[in-house]
Order: sequence, then C-alpha cells, then structure tokens
Amino acid sequence: GQSLEQPSEVTAVEGAIVQINCTYQTSGFYGLSWYQQHDGGAPTFLSYNALDGLEETGRFSSFLSRSDSYGYLLLQELQMKDSASYFCAVRGTGGFKTIFGAGTRLFVKA
Amino acid sequence: SQTIHQWPATLVQPVGSPLSLECTVEGTSNPNLYWYRQAAGRGLQLLFYSVGIGQISSEVPQNLSASRPQDRQFILSSKKLLLSDSGFYLCAWSVTGSNYGYTFGSGTRLTVV
Repeated sequence: GQSLEQPSEVTAVEGAIVQINCTYQTSGFYGLSWYQQHDGGAPTFLSYNALDGLEETGRFSSFLSRSDSYGYLLLQELQMKDSASYFCAVRGTGGFKTIFGAGTRLFVKA
Repeated sequence: SQTIHQWPATLVQPVGSPLSLECTVEGTSNPNLYWYRQAAGRGLQLLFYSVGIGQISSEVPQNLSASRPQDRQFILSSKKLLLSDSGFYLCAWSVTGSNYGYTFGSGTRLTVV
C-alpha cells in the first residue's frame, strides 16, 4: 500500500523559518510534490522533487531523499498569508496518480 | 493559458438523490483528469482518474462513478447519494511527464442531508 506521514499542526512566528517533514511508503515512486491550501480554497501546487536534493522557489524550498523516503518543505521569512494547510503528495506507480498526505496545518503568529 | 472549470460551487442534496458534477479543462489537449474528495480537515482521497476519453480508473469502491465523454470533460455521478458522500469534491488535471503538478478546480462543496 501507499502512505504518507506529516505532522498535523505547526505553529511559527512571522519572519521565522519553518520546516514541514514528510515520510512516505509507496509501491512505486516518481516524485514528491507539495501543495498549499487555504481555508475554503482548492490546493495549489508549490513544488516537485523527482531527484534527491533541494529545489528552491522564492521563499519556499523542498528537499527529497529517496533512500530515506523522506522530504520536507521549508518556508522562510514567514508571512501571515502563509497560514494554510500544506500537503505532501507522492506520484506513484505508472506516474498517473498522486496520493496525498493528511496535511499539516501551519499557523503563523504575529 | 490553461483553465479548469468546476461547478456547481455548493450543493445540498437529499439522501437517495442523484448527483452529477462536471469539470472541463480549456487550453490543453489530452490531459490526465482526476476526481478527489476531501472530508473536513482531512487530506485528499483519490476517487477516479482518466488518461483518455472513455478510460476511467477507480481507486475506491463506492456508489460513485465517473465518465469522460470528451477529451476535456470529466463527470462525477451517483445514482443514489449517501450521507457519507458529503465532502469537498475537487477536479484536477495534469500532463503526463510534467513536473508542474496538478491544477485543481475551485471545488464543489456537497452536503447530503
């Protein structure tokens, strides 16, 4: 089967750095993605890692270690608008379907 | 540019009634299409995906079905809704081999009463 684990909640202060971890178990692996979802909205794509290492996109970075079945999302210079749920997701066997984790609720405090 | 349309935004339906949710994509050809469901405060559960017209893969046995009558149209249906069908339904599309992830529609919030 396939499963992903990530913390349910994280709290940080404005301007700080926060890391959201994700571990996964899949029968096939084509890449790890991260999505952001604000309350009442649809998820929006943030980043994708197919190979080991760090991918940087502005204030957000994502890391993958395939040997450890582990990845993380790093958010820098936190802003209030970053308060949202963050989902890691694995593109599995066949590359056509993506399985999502339960999500991490990020609260950014002033 | 590519856009994805999903409607209606909200829906309240009685138990036992039928359901039809529609999703269309513009600006791309032969997209991979997906239906996900999200319970309140939870993750996204993959329901169906399609890699081409008439090709539907079901991930979870349930009283829901999906159809893809046209290249850029994906429909989620039910003949008789259950209370447990309540949730936030999301349509999404992607391109095979793309690293840009999924683009989601704005979702339909379904409440079965």
